[in-house]
Amino acid sequence: DAMVIQNPRYQVTQFGKPVTLSCSQTLNHNVMYWYQQKSSQAPKLLFHYYDKDFNNEADTPDNFQSRRPNTSFCFLDIRSPGLGDAAMYLCATSRGEGGKNIQYFGAGTRLSVL
Amino acid sequence: GENVEQHPSTLSVQEGDSAVIKCTYSDSASNYFPWYKQELGKGPQLIIDIRSNVGEKKDQRIAVTLNKTAKHFSLHITETQPEDSAVYFCAASMATGGFKTIFGAGTRLFVKA
Repeated sequence: DAMVIQNPRYQVTQFGKPVTLSCSQTLNHNVMYWYQQKSSQAPKLLFHYYDKDFNNEADTPDNFQSRRPNTSFCFLDIRSPGLGDAAMYLCATSRGEGGKNIQYFGAGTRLSVL
Repeated sequence: GENVEQHPSTLSVQEGDSAVIKCTYSDSASNYFPWYKQELGKGPQLIIDIRSNVGEKKDQRIAVTLNKTAKHFSLHITETQPEDSAVYFCAASMATGGFKTIFGAGTRLFVKA
């Protein structure tokens, strides 16, 4: 059974039209992450939550926002998608143990921007 | 900050042969090194990991080695099978400084039957 679930699997939006991607987890993990992965590249961390504490990466554009209303859910909001934002977006969770930070990934949402 | 370099970017082997993927990291404070496998259309999944107090770890056909002095770690897959074909990512993280994991650029492994 999937433990980190991302919806939708495929999302098409128009240039400049806000879009929200969702992630839910059944693992009760403290930490939730959002990564952007472009073709043939490594996942790039956008931000993560430790419980309700939000941690933004320094190079994450302001266009990307996140919400975590409760332990199970986390959302990625792209306020004004540009063509360069077309990518796979991966959600991941971890327990939050400092010594061994195993991350559990969802299947991803592939975003297309027209 | 931490940087992880991974080689090769593409690797093609014959079924039954071994495959080796190598990574180097820059921050000597990193102490946890996971390897993830990403199949087409799926998210990465952990396949093996190693902590800095261990030099080698093996799990059936896969093994990971770590050289802390040289800041190198490698993934070894023996007796490769077509289902091993995927993209493999190495990564490095540290116990302090939050929960950030830095990924290598990935190696696309093709196992030819």
